Amino acid sequence: AQKVTQAQTEISVVEKEDVTLDCVYETRDTTYYLFWYKQPPSGELVFLIRRNSFDEQNEISGRYSWNFQKSTSSFNFTITASQVVDSAVYFCALSEGPGTASKLTFGTGTRLQVTL
Amino acid sequence: KAGVTQTPRYLIKTRGQQVTLSCSPISGHRSVSWYQQTPGQGLQFLFEYFSETQRNKGNFPGRFSGRQFSNSRSEMNVSTLELGDSALYLCASSLGTVLTDTQYFGPGTRLTVL
Repeated sequence: AQKVTQAQTEISVVEKEDVTLDCVYETRDTTYYLFWYKQPPSGELVFLIRRNSFDEQNEISGRYSWNFQKSTSSFNFTITASQVVDSAVYFCALSEGPGTASKLTFGTGTRLQVTL
Repeated sequence: KAGVTQTPRYLIKTRGQQVTLSCSPISGHRSVSWYQQTPGQGLQFLFEYFSETQRNKGNFPGRFSGRQFSNSRSEMNVSTLELGDSALYLCASSLGTVLTDTQYFGPGTRLTVL
């Protein structure tokens, strides 16, 4: 069975600090997809990034970057120069099987609190 | 493009009643998935509908059911409500046919069962 572990329950940082959210996953599939979603207090899950299992290239998008390492089954997410608006719960998710990503397995989430 | 919409946003029901939640996907999306979010169990997949057919199903009892209409709008029904059904129910839509598909979520319906 697939599993996603986010060991960090809550992280507090001061604005402008960099913060890394950890995600470790388990799957027997050879083709899979990993996602990060953000859930602000309003409740809606906001899509942030997607990474395919066959593409380990790490990228930077604005203040966001991610580090995907198949060897350690990790998909970590970094926010550079954090802002108060980044305060939310962040979820790592794994799609089940090849094909469409219609069935996501989520981690338990990491609550990020950014203060002034 | 308009995002995923869910109605109603809030519901209060009593045990034993039934409830129907509605989800309108992003225009052009044919897949609709439903998730339940509770403090204890986190985010759990309920089921997915594609082209009016249930394509995937999670581990929930038969009291949870759904359907999809020809315009891709979807409804979820929960019968004989229990206190433990109190949760945020999230709907997500996607194209449903692309290998690297992405689900986009609605604002959710918060159901409280008294």
